[in-house]
Amino acid sequence: DVKVTQSSRYLVKRTGEKVFLECVQDMDHENMFWYRQDPGLGLRLIYFSYDVKMKEKGDIPEGYSVSREKKERFSLILESASTNQTSMYLCASTANNEQFFGPGTRLTVL
Amino acid sequence: GQNIDQPTEMTATEGAIVQINCTYQTSGFNGLFWYQQHAGEAPTFLSYNVLDGLEEKGRFSSFLSRSKGYSYLLLKELQMKDSASYLCVGRENTGFQKLVFGTGTRLLVSP
Repeated sequence: DVKVTQSSRYLVKRTGEKVFLECVQDMDHENMFWYRQDPGLGLRLIYFSYDVKMKEKGDIPEGYSVSREKKERFSLILESASTNQTSMYLCASTANNEQFFGPGTRLTVL
Repeated sequence: GQNIDQPTEMTATEGAIVQINCTYQTSGFNGLFWYQQHAGEAPTFLSYNVLDGLEEKGRFSSFLSRSKGYSYLLLKELQMKDSASYLCVGRENTGFQKLVFGTGTRLLVSP
C-alpha cells in the first residue's frame, strides 16, 4: 500500500512563528504536492515538486516556501505564520493516474 | 485554466441511487477524477475517466462526455457510510498535468 504521512495531525502556532510541515511518501514517487483546503474553496495548490531540489509555484504560493532535499520528503514552510494561514494542509504524491493523499495537518494560527 | 462546477449539497436515503453531476471548462483536458472525502479525513481516489463513456466499479460508476464538458458519479445501493463529500477533479493537459479541484458535493445519506 502506498503511504503518505504527515508529521502532525493537529498543530497550533502563534502569529509570526516559523512553521514546518513535513510530508513523507514511501513509494518512490517523483511528483509531490502541497494543498490547503478551506470551507467553500476546495483544495488549492500551494507548491509542487517533480524531482529532488525542483519546485514550482502553484496557485497560492504567497507566504509559503518548500524544500525537497530527498525524493521521499517534501516540506512546506510558513516563514512567518499569519492567522489567514489557519487551514487544513494536505500533502499528496502521484503515480500514473492517481494522487495519494496524506492524512492532513489541521493548522491553527493564533 | 479550468473551472469545475458541482452542487454544494445533496441528500438521499439508504438503499437509493444518487447521481452527482459535474461540469468543467478547460483550456486543456487530460482526464477527470472523482474523490471521496469523509469529514476531517484526506480525499481517497474513486475513479478516473479520460475517454467518453461509463466506468463501473462496484456500487460506484463514473461517466464522462468530453464534448459536453460533463461528468457524473453514480452511487447505487446507498449506505450510511457513503455520507461524505465527493470531489470532481479535472486534470490539465500541461507538462505537469496539474489537478484542479471542485469545491465538492456534500452527500448526506439518511435511514
